[in-house]
Amino acid sequence: QSALTQPASVSGSPGQSITISCSGSSSDVGAYKYVAWYQQHPGKAPKLMIYDVSDRPSGVSNRFSGSKSGNTASLTISGLQAEDEADYYCSSFTSSHTLAFGSGTKVTVL
Amino acid sequence: EVQLVESGGGLVQPGGSLRLSCEASGFLFSSHWMHWVRQAPGKGLEWVSRIDTDGTLSTIIYADSVKGRFTISRDNAKNTLYLQMDSLRAEDTAVYYCARDLHWNLPDYWGQGTLVVVSS
Repeated sequence: QSALTQPASVSGSPGQSITISCSGSSSDVGAYKYVAWYQQHPGKAPKLMIYDVSDRPSGVSNRFSGSKSGNTASLTISGLQAEDEADYYCSSFTSSHTLAFGSGTKVTVL
Repeated sequence: EVQLVESGGGLVQPGGSLRLSCEASGFLFSSHWMHWVRQAPGKGLEWVSRIDTDGTLSTIIYADSVKGRFTISRDNAKNTLYLQMDSLRAEDTAVYYCARDLHWNLPDYWGQGTLVVVSS
């Protein structure tokens, strides 16, 4: 049960766009549409930002968007804002019916 | 409003046991799969276990790291999810979150977490 691979950190200036990648395999990200992205501020519980690769839950800003190509999923944050500074995790259903999380990416707003 | 409230965390010695609870409200608990996910201090999220709606053995699955030591269960009449943790190790130290499943192992709502510290 290996973690999905994410960059340790990504940074951008306010108003810019950034993209976080989530690399898996043909047994998880590449095989299913059940890929999600979570935002976690320090000391808080994770918050669902994207589900089923590219769907947004009600109340989540449309500045957040998701996509997938092959075994890699991506989260794009456009119009970066100070409140977007947080840790972000991807997740995926796996062929062994478990849940795999990404290694996590710290987003810094410069 | 969906609410998940974990309890039962604390300090326990290596080899000891602890039972976590997660009380759910604001949704039809019996209709959702449920998860336990943990996060060691300063580390990332690690999925622990998932239970299906009726909690039969065939619908329960564990991460390899806890298989044979942890037991997930649920009481739909009490809207409560449980995690029995036995043979605890230092590496089990983490904040433990319960989470509701949207579908297909995709958690949507999370509790605030309960801290488990395994130390002598």
